[in-house]
Amino acid sequence: DIQMTQSPSSLSASVGDRVTITCRASQSITSYLNWYQQKPGKAPNLLIFAASSLQSGVPSRFSGSGSGTDFTLTISSLQPEDFATYYCQQSYSTPYTFGQGTKLEIK
Amino acid sequence: EVQLVESGGGLVQPGRSLRLSCTASGFTFGDYAMSWVRQAPGKGLEWVGFIRSKSYGGATEYAASVRGRFTMSRDDSKSIAYLQMSSLKTEDTAVYYCARHRDYYGSGMNHWGQGTLVTVSS
Repeated sequence: DIQMTQSPSSLSASVGDRVTITCRASQSITSYLNWYQQKPGKAPNLLIFAASSLQSGVPSRFSGSGSGTDFTLTISSLQPEDFATYYCQQSYSTPYTFGQGTKLEIK
Repeated sequence: EVQLVESGGGLVQPGRSLRLSCTASGFTFGDYAMSWVRQAPGKGLEWVGFIRSKSYGGATEYAASVRGRFTMSRDDSKSIAYLQMSSLKTEDTAVYYCARHRDYYGSGMNHWGQGTLVTVSS
């Protein structure tokens, strides 16, 4: 199975900050990498698919990059509604594993 | 508007069975792969498995933790995906989400249901 490792596990930041979350795969997944945002008690929401493509309706302050084994999710200027948990997920080969999550909290 | 509604969750004893349903609307259900993802209380997301669309053979794949115990199926005429769970264990306790893939089964999941809670306990 492909292991997905996110860092950091938690992060404190302020409104307006630029934030980067990284995700590393245990083997190459080319660009089969997706990012989700989840708020407490809610279903996940797809932000980025295929490593760098912005899902329709997602604000442009979210961006993704990377290929192979190393990926990043960047939020260019944090907004109050962005405080949530973020997960990466590979869809290169089954099982489609998720990272352990990064909890983004208000500083 | 795309909608996915899960149902069938509840309290079940270890070793028993339960069937979850995911009723879809707002899109041509048969054209899309569907996944099930679960989340144990206070934990992260775990992909359970998916069922391909008929155009990709309708085949299923499962996580090792549920393979041989869980079975996915679909009724495209009713726009419903099913997750039949048997030999349930306490570690299967979780909120179960159904999710639609963007297009083919290797793409991200851009529509999710609200989730249904399954509690396995004696």
